[in-house]
Amino acid sequence: QSALTQPRSVSGSPGQSVTISCTGTSSDVGGYNYVSWYQGHPGKAPTLMIYEVSKRPSGVPDRFSGSKSGNTASLTISGLQAEDEADYYCCSYAGSYTLVFGGGTKLTVL
Amino acid sequence: QVQLQQSGPGLVKPSQTLSLTCAISGDSISSKTAAWNWIRQSPSRGLEWLGRTYYRSKWYSNYDVSVKSRITISPDTSKNQFSLQLNSVTPEDTAVYYCARDDDYYYYALDVWGQGTTVTVSS
Repeated sequence: QSALTQPRSVSGSPGQSVTISCTGTSSDVGGYNYVSWYQGHPGKAPTLMIYEVSKRPSGVPDRFSGSKSGNTASLTISGLQAEDEADYYCCSYAGSYTLVFGGGTKLTVL
Repeated sequence: QVQLQQSGPGLVKPSQTLSLTCAISGDSISSKTAAWNWIRQSPSRGLEWLGRTYYRSKWYSNYDVSVKSRITISPDTSKNQFSLQLNSVTPEDTAVYYCARDDDYYYYALDVWGQGTTVTVSS
């Protein structure tokens, strides 16, 4: 399966909101409510931020939220903070017990 | 607290086999609610899911089509760990390799990750 499509980069100022999109197909994002989002810093393993489209694991701030419409999922970060600067990856169940990731989006906090 | 500890060589020669191991603590490789995954990350391709193994009354494995002909992910119940073998490697397989767990609570989301192993394919 092809990787999900994410913008290469997004940016925002502290306190603002940013949204990162993740576009797939009806065989992955559009077909299942199993989209997850990960935050990655250089040299460290990714961290789960959102699962099942919009649920947050314990410990993840409620500034992070997820949604989905059709074949596109979105991660919104409100009240941007400097520590949110990182790479963000979406991931979707793609049927037959397989997963597919997005190409990643670099978030810059201006 | 579940932890995953990876081990294996950081340098593999072209055409040879890449072998990595992921030791599990705080959970069981035979858990009927967890699955055990391998993912890799490279600057050119970002994160790529490679495959998973899991136990549901018997052992199952699923692989990404891009590596299906070259990959084996297998459990070792005696050591509570699982391994990745990737055959016939090329420089394109150079990446940071991660093991990770997905649990039925999170439904196909990877909630625990290993520390990562940088693997370089070069002669």
